[in-house]
Amino acid sequence: AQTVTQSQPEMSVQEAETVTLSCTYDTSENNYYLFWYKQPPSRQMILVIRQEAYKQQNATENRFSVNFQKAAKSFSLKISDSQLGDTAMYFCAYSGAGSYQLTFGKGTKLSVIP
Amino acid sequence: AAGVIQSPRHLIKEKRETATLKCYPIPRHDTVYWYQQGPGQDPQFLISFYEKMQSDKGSIPDRFSAQQFSDYHSELNMSSLELGDSALYFCASSLTWGGGDEQFFGPGTRLTVL
Repeated sequence: AQTVTQSQPEMSVQEAETVTLSCTYDTSENNYYLFWYKQPPSRQMILVIRQEAYKQQNATENRFSVNFQKAAKSFSLKISDSQLGDTAMYFCAYSGAGSYQLTFGKGTKLSVIP
Repeated sequence: AAGVIQSPRHLIKEKRETATLKCYPIPRHDTVYWYQQGPGQDPQFLISFYEKMQSDKGSIPDRFSAQQFSDYHSELNMSSLELGDSALYFCASSLTWGGGDEQFFGPGTRLTVL
């Protein structure tokens, strides 16, 4: 079974600074997908960014980018120019090629400090 | 843009009662996923449907059942409720049952079992 590990339960960053959230995963599959979801205090789950394992290029969405290291099974999220609205729980998630449900990590609670 | 609709948003039940949660996917989405998120936990996959057929099953108790109807809406039926069933229940939909398709989450139904 696939597992997703987020080793940082809580992190904080000053507004306008950059922060990196870590995620590692374990899988025997060669083709899969990785996601970062954001869950603000409203509890709504919002997709931040998505990476396809067969693509070597790291995904980028505005201030959000990932560092995908397939051999190391690492998938970190970098948030640049942090904003107060980035305060949320961030979940790393895995989806296999043959079974499409999401397997989530335990989450990292990010606080952006004014 | 249309989003996933879940009803009710809040539900309070007594132990041993039954509950029915409803999910209306985004129009033209034919795949529905159900997740359970306990307090302070990451979401756990329960079950999914593609084209009205069960496509995958996760850690769903035998007391729970679900189905997807001809109009693609889905219902999660929970019987003999236990205190431990108190959680936020998310429904998510995707355009089709395919690896890596973005899952759009609804706002969730908060179930409290007393």
